[in-house]
Order: sequence, then structure tokens, then C-alpha cells
Amino acid sequence: EPEVTQTPSHQVTQMGQEVILRCVPISNHLYFYWYRQILGQKVEFLVSFYNNEISEKSEIFDDQFSVERPDGSNFTLKIRSTKLEDSAMYFCASSAGTVGTQYFGPGTRLLVL
Amino acid sequence: ELKVEQNPLFLSMQEGKNYTIYCNYSTTSDRLYWYRQDPGKSLESLFVLLSNGAVKQEGRLMASLDTKARLSTLHITAAVHDLSATYFCAVVSGGATNKLIFGTGTLLAVQP
Repeated sequence: EPEVTQTPSHQVTQMGQEVILRCVPISNHLYFYWYRQILGQKVEFLVSFYNNEISEKSEIFDDQFSVERPDGSNFTLKIRSTKLEDSAMYFCASSAGTVGTQYFGPGTRLLVL
Repeated sequence: ELKVEQNPLFLSMQEGKNYTIYCNYSTTSDRLYWYRQDPGKSLESLFVLLSNGAVKQEGRLMASLDTKARLSTLHITAAVHDLSATYFCAVVSGGATNKLIFGTGTLLAVQP
């Protein structure tokens, strides 16, 4: 069964460093998303991406964040200068269309020291 | 702004018992999802509810939707330990995208 994959599973970084989180969505899906979950809290929407551009972003997704689909398979989230409060689990999700179920990847646990 | 609330936040129940988790949302939406999350794991899609009165069942779990009341329920029948997890409802927010607004989650602990 097709699934969303994410790498790395865990990342530890120093405050101020850049991180890139990678995702491979399900191959025939067209809509891609990033969510985050701070430990013990609910899942929060960050950004949605379609047709090689951002379709919607949340207030959390400020200028420190960017997304890219560098090739036909990968979908990346970059945080330019990490802050302590960026520590969270980051989930990538994809869907076939705007009315389709979003399938989530296993997540990347990011710890900023 | 769409807000989604769940209750209870934490539910400890014994095996064999029945219970219901509630999900309220503040504005009209055309889709509601239930997801399961095991500790440290990803979100597994359980149900999608599309219309008023929709009911879906899978094993010991049954989900329903009342769009007029803006309420969904997840009913657990004869709980077993394997159902222990956090359950989230998520509502599709309006607009061009399929953005999901998640509830606070309900941590379910089924005691043997």
C-alpha cells in the first residue's frame, strides 16, 4: 500500500541553524501539506502546496519557513534559523485532491537546543 | 475562524465498557475526519464523514456526524486494550485547500 515517507525520523540541531525536512508523498497525489505537533499538544496546520506553489499558509509559517518540491517526488520544509520553540514533530501529508483523505507520514521529530 | 473542541481530553476505561468521544466545531464544514495516533507515531485515518447523519463503523468504533449541531461522535463498543491511543477529530476548513483543523485530542487508556 502506498505511503508517505519522511526523513530524517529525528533531528537535533542548535538554535539558529538551518534544517531541511524531507517528505516523499504518495506518487499520484497532487496536494501536499506540512503540519506540526508540539509535544502533548494538538496537530497544527502549517502550509499547503499545489501546482508548485503555496496555496495556503498559517500564521506559524513565517519568513523563516519555506517549502519546495525540488523534483518530481520530494517535498521539503526548510527552517532557516531554528528557534527553541520550533521543537516539535513535523508531519507531511498528501492527498489526491482537495476532497481526498490526507495521508500522513511518520513524522520528523525536531529538537532545537 | 474555525475552532474544534473534543471532550473528554483523557478517558480511562475498562475493557468491555462502552464510551463516546465528542467533537464540536464552530463553523460549517463539509467534511470531518477521525484519526488515531499511537504514542510517537503518525496519524492513521479512521473515518471520513461527509454528510449530515453519516455513520461509519469499523470494528468496535463507530463515528457519526450531525452537521446541524456541528457535532461528531466516536463511539467505542466493548473496549479492548488495543484501542488505547489518542484520537483526533479534524475538520476541513473552507477555502481553496483541504486544510485540516484538529481537535485537542482524546487520550484513551483501556485498562485490562
